[in-house]
Amino acid sequence: DIQMTQSPSSLSASVGDRVTITCRASQTISSYLNWYQQKPGKAPKLLIYAASSLLSGVPSRFSGSGSGTDFTLTISSLQPEDFATYYCQQSHSTPGTFGQGTKVEVK
Amino acid sequence: QDHLVQSGAEVKKPGASVKVSCKASGYTFTSYSIHWVRQAPGQGLEWMGWINTGNGKTKYSQKFQDRVTITRDTSANTAYMELSSLRSEDTAVYYCARETGTLPYFDYWGQGTLVTVSS
Repeated sequence: DIQMTQSPSSLSASVGDRVTITCRASQTISSYLNWYQQKPGKAPKLLIYAASSLLSGVPSRFSGSGSGTDFTLTISSLQPEDFATYYCQQSHSTPGTFGQGTKVEVK
Repeated sequence: QDHLVQSGAEVKKPGASVKVSCKASGYTFTSYSIHWVRQAPGQGLEWMGWINTGNGKTKYSQKFQDRVTITRDTSANTAYMELSSLRSEDTAVYYCARETGTLPYFDYWGQGTLVTVSS
C-alpha cells in the first residue's frame, strides 16, 4: 500500500496567516492527489483534486501544488471558517490511502 | 442536486454484523462508483472498499477483505456496506462517497453513519 505522510499533524495560526500543509507519498503517484477539509461532526469536503485543480465553488485562497511524491496545500490568507482538519488522499492505486490529517487550530 | 443519504446510527454487539445503506439521488446512479470510508473516534480516514455501480465489481482493502461486502441495488439507487464479525475497534462513523474524475476523487459524501459496537 502507498503510505501518505502529512506534516505537521497540527498547527496554530491566526486569521490572515498563510498556511502550508505538506503531504508525501511513499512512492510516486503522479498527480493523483486530492485534498479534503473536514469539520467536527461533518463529512469531508473536497477542496483540490488532481494535485492542483480547485473544485468549483472553493475559495481561491486554497491552492495545491506538487507531483510525484511531494505535495502542498496552501491557504493564502486563513479565514475563520478554515479552522478544520485537512487530509490528503492518493487515488493512484487501491487502497486509496489518506494522510493522517493536519488540524488547523486558532492561535 | 446530487445527494448521498445514508441509513441511521446502529448499535451492535461484538460478533454481529451491520449493513449500512447509501441512497443516491440527483444523478445516474450507475455512472459513478461508490466508495466506503470509515473514521474511528478522534482518528483519521480509512478506505474500506468500492463498488462499480454499473457492473457490480468490487474491490476491498486487505484489512477488511474477509469481513466486508459491498453491494448495490440499481433499482433503488442504493449501495450497501456490510461488515461482519464486529469488534469494539469497528466503532466508527462510516461514510459512502461518490468517485468521479479521470484522476479520481470523491466529490460527494454521505452524511455518515455511526456504528457503535458494545456488549
